[in-house]
Amino acid sequence: KQEVTQIPAALSVPEGENLVLNCSFTDSAIYNLQWFRQDPGKGLTSLLLIQSSQREQTSGRLNASLDKSSGRSTLYIAASQPGDSATYLCAVNDYKLSFGAGTTVTVRA
Amino acid sequence: DTAVSQTPKYLVTQMGNDKSIKCEQNLGHDTMYWYKQDSKKFLKIMFSYNNKELIINETVPNRFSPKSPDKAHLNLHINSLELGDSAVYFCASSHRDSSSYEQYFGPGTRLTVT
Repeated sequence: KQEVTQIPAALSVPEGENLVLNCSFTDSAIYNLQWFRQDPGKGLTSLLLIQSSQREQTSGRLNASLDKSSGRSTLYIAASQPGDSATYLCAVNDYKLSFGAGTTVTVRA
Repeated sequence: DTAVSQTPKYLVTQMGNDKSIKCEQNLGHDTMYWYKQDSKKFLKIMFSYNNKELIINETVPNRFSPKSPDKAHLNLHINSLELGDSAVYFCASSHRDSSSYEQYFGPGTRLTVT
């Protein structure tokens, strides 16, 4: 059974600082890994998808890495802004998505 | 031109009632899913259909019955609602034969059982 863990559970940083969010998973037989953003009371917004054959994926200020053999992924957000405040979810796809509990990020102005 | 839509967005009902949530996708995907996000915000798969065939059925009470009338629709019917069923239910879809298997999510249905 796939277990997904996200560390830390919460993070508070001043504006402009870089964010590092960690995700680990127990079974490396995956198709891909997705990072989502969820604002309070809202749905899920897909940020990045990394295929199992890829090492990293970038979109604007976001960069996600994947080390399948060690069961780890990291989401980097450069030069954080207050608008980045949200919960970030990591989900591993092995024909269904298994989610971590999320990291709640607060960026202070 | 919403990709994955759900109705209703909010549902408030009493214990013991029966209710349905509907999901539709216009992405041409062949696989659809129901996920539940509980009060602790943890998201978990419930069901998945591929071409109208049930392919994932996690440990869910049999009061929950999914139905897929066609590839673009996946409904969730819940009988004899209980307080613990209060949650946000998300529908998602993907193309199983695509190289990415990326899943696209609907906006969610917030169910409150009183």
